[in-house]
Amino acid sequence: ETGVTQSPTHLIKTRGQQVTLRCSSQSGHNTVSWYQQALGQGPQFIFQYYREEENGRGNFPPRFSGLQFPNYSSELNVNALELDDSALYLCASSSEGWATDTQYFGPGTRLTVL
Amino acid sequence: RKEVEQDPGPFNVPEGATVAFNCTYSNSASQSFFWYRQDCRKEPKLLMSVYSSGNEDGRFTAQLNRASQYISLLIRDSKLSDSATYLCVVKTGGFKTIFGAGTRLFVKA
Repeated sequence: ETGVTQSPTHLIKTRGQQVTLRCSSQSGHNTVSWYQQALGQGPQFIFQYYREEENGRGNFPPRFSGLQFPNYSSELNVNALELDDSALYLCASSSEGWATDTQYFGPGTRLTVL
Repeated sequence: RKEVEQDPGPFNVPEGATVAFNCTYSNSASQSFFWYRQDCRKEPKLLMSVYSSGNEDGRFTAQLNRASQYISLLIRDSKLSDSATYLCVVKTGGFKTIFGAGTRLFVKA
C-alpha cells in the first residue's frame, strides 16, 4: 500500500452544498496533488500543494480550493456543489514539487451530488 | 486535440497473448512519462516509469519515442490479473500532470 489515506470514502451531498475532503500524505512526502476522475475518464488535475502553498492549478473554477497543513496533509474544499461535481476525488503525494517525481495515490473519495 | 490520447479499447485478449498499447502526447516540452494501472473503482497505481532508452519490468516493456511523441506499453504472456485500465501519464515542467483517458484490457481464460 502507498500510505496515502483519504476520508471520507463516500459522500452524498445536494446541489449548492459545500464539501471538504481530506488527504494524509505518505511519510516523507511534502507535495499533495488533487485530481477529479469522472466515470470513464482519466484523472483531471485540480491543483497541487507544495510545502503549504499552492504550486499550480488546472482548469477548475475558484469554488475548488485547498489547504496544506504543516504535517503535509491536505484538504480539498468545493463550494456551491453542482451535479457535474459527482466524481472520484483522488489525492496523490510525492516527495518534491517538480516534474520528475512519482506520485502515489490514495484510495479516493467518491462524491455524489444529487 | 487532447494533450494525451490513448486508444480506449477495450482490448479483449486470451491468456498468454501479447498486447500493446500506444499513447500520444502533444506537448514536445513534456519531461516525464509513466504508465499507471487502475482496477475498477480503485485508485491508479504506478506500473512503471518510461525512459527514452526503454525499460522492462518482467512481462512489461515501456518505450518512449520523443521524436514522434508517443509512448508504448507491451504486455507479454497476459494473465487474467492483468485485466484493468492502463493510464498513460505525461508531466511537463513543474506541476502539470496530464492523464490519458485510459485503455481497458480484458484478459480471458
